[in-house]
Amino acid sequence: GAGVSQSPSNKVTEKGKDVELRCDPISGHTALYWYRQSLGQGLEFLIYFQGNSAPDKSGLPSDRFSAERTGGSVSTLTIQRTQQEDSAVYLCASSLALSGYGSYNEQFFGPGTRLTVL
Amino acid sequence: AQSVTQLGSHVSVSEGALVLLRCNYSSSVPPYLFWYVQYPNQGLQLLLKYTSAATLVKGINGFEAEFKKSETSFHLTKPSAHMSDAAEYFCAVSAVTGNQFYFGTGTSLTVIP
Repeated sequence: GAGVSQSPSNKVTEKGKDVELRCDPISGHTALYWYRQSLGQGLEFLIYFQGNSAPDKSGLPSDRFSAERTGGSVSTLTIQRTQQEDSAVYLCASSLALSGYGSYNEQFFGPGTRLTVL
Repeated sequence: AQSVTQLGSHVSVSEGALVLLRCNYSSSVPPYLFWYVQYPNQGLQLLLKYTSAATLVKGINGFEAEFKKSETSFHLTKPSAHMSDAAEYFCAVSAVTGNQFYFGTGTSLTVIP
């Protein structure tokens, strides 16, 4: 079946503009993660969705970042008033969180969206 | 809180030589541990994971890792490197009772023909 898809694959924007990044998880996966991968750094956790539960937003770096997941499937990460330090690859992952916690299950990653803020 | 340290941001090995990528974790309780591989312009792919069963875990493409609680380590090894192993490798840790994963900064593996 289809894997995790993300769009756009590349996004170039000007400082101060808003951007929306989209993630389509694997069908049936209840858990969805967003990460940020900056050059020379590891993956930085941003936000976690699990079913109908309230999302874990503890990794969002500022109130300019927000995310939603509609109908338990597609997710959109929105960055308002983009700054140059927001330039990074944004990765989405989904998993079957069969247990009460998401930490056990393998995450399937999308190819990422490369965001460049000029 | 959990954290992961990957020693060596760049590792080069000759084709056919042993691959050893180091990962040390910090956790107050035994965690779950993962190794992911990222090929150029692709998403991360799970190589193997430790979830409190056997301490020696075998993964795909001939890789394996051993969980050593006394050393808080989960090093990744492969007996004989292949050119196709050239990629970025990430170690990750998660709490048994939690949802967050903590990734290391990655190790770029170069295989020299």
